[in-house]
Amino acid sequence: AQSVTQLGSHVSVSEGALVLLRCNYSSSVPPYLFWYVQYPNQGLQLLLKYTSAATLVKGINGFEAEFKKSETSFHLTKPSAHMSDAAEYFCAVNIKAAGNKLTFGGGTRVLVKP
Amino acid sequence: EAGVAQSPRYKIIEKRQSVAFWCNPISGHATLYWYQQILGQGPKLLIQFQNNGVVDDSQLPKDRFSAERLKGVDSTLKIQPAKLEDSAVYLCASTVQGFSGRGGGELFFGEGSRLTVL
Repeated sequence: AQSVTQLGSHVSVSEGALVLLRCNYSSSVPPYLFWYVQYPNQGLQLLLKYTSAATLVKGINGFEAEFKKSETSFHLTKPSAHMSDAAEYFCAVNIKAAGNKLTFGGGTRVLVKP
Repeated sequence: EAGVAQSPRYKIIEKRQSVAFWCNPISGHATLYWYQQILGQGPKLLIQFQNNGVVDDSQLPKDRFSAERLKGVDSTLKIQPAKLEDSAVYLCASTVQGFSGRGGGELFFGEGSRLTVL
């Protein structure tokens, strides 16, 4: 069965600093990987996804993530944090053999300090 | 294109009462999901429908939770009787049928229904 681990339930960054959110997955077959963002009292919005094309994936709002098969990782980064990046971020894996359903990590809440 | 619609957005009930949540997926999306998101945790799949058939309900507490998707479009999730630990956000999501194509395994989520059980 697939699983996702997000290291760090809370991350605090200064405005303008690098944002790095870590995600490791477990899967016996090539996965599709996703990062979603959730703002307070809202649903999940897709930031970016990896679907076996380029390993470096660019998403919305300046975020990008790199798929590293050897490390089973899909870390999310943004070079310069903005106050509007304060939210909760979820990494998720979807595997065709598992029936087209997303399995989520526990989430990382990002706080941006001015 | 209209997104996934859910109602009500907020519901407060006392334990042992019943509650129902409604979801209307994106037009043309054959697959519909209900996820439970407890505060501070990632969403957990409760049930997956393909058209009006259940694909996976292995995580659904069937003694108190039920869900249906009549006519393969709208869906309703019911909890009866509710427990304190059912306090959560219930997220509905949908996707195109199958795994390949432009869907690429992406799910589209509604804004959720927040349940508070007192």
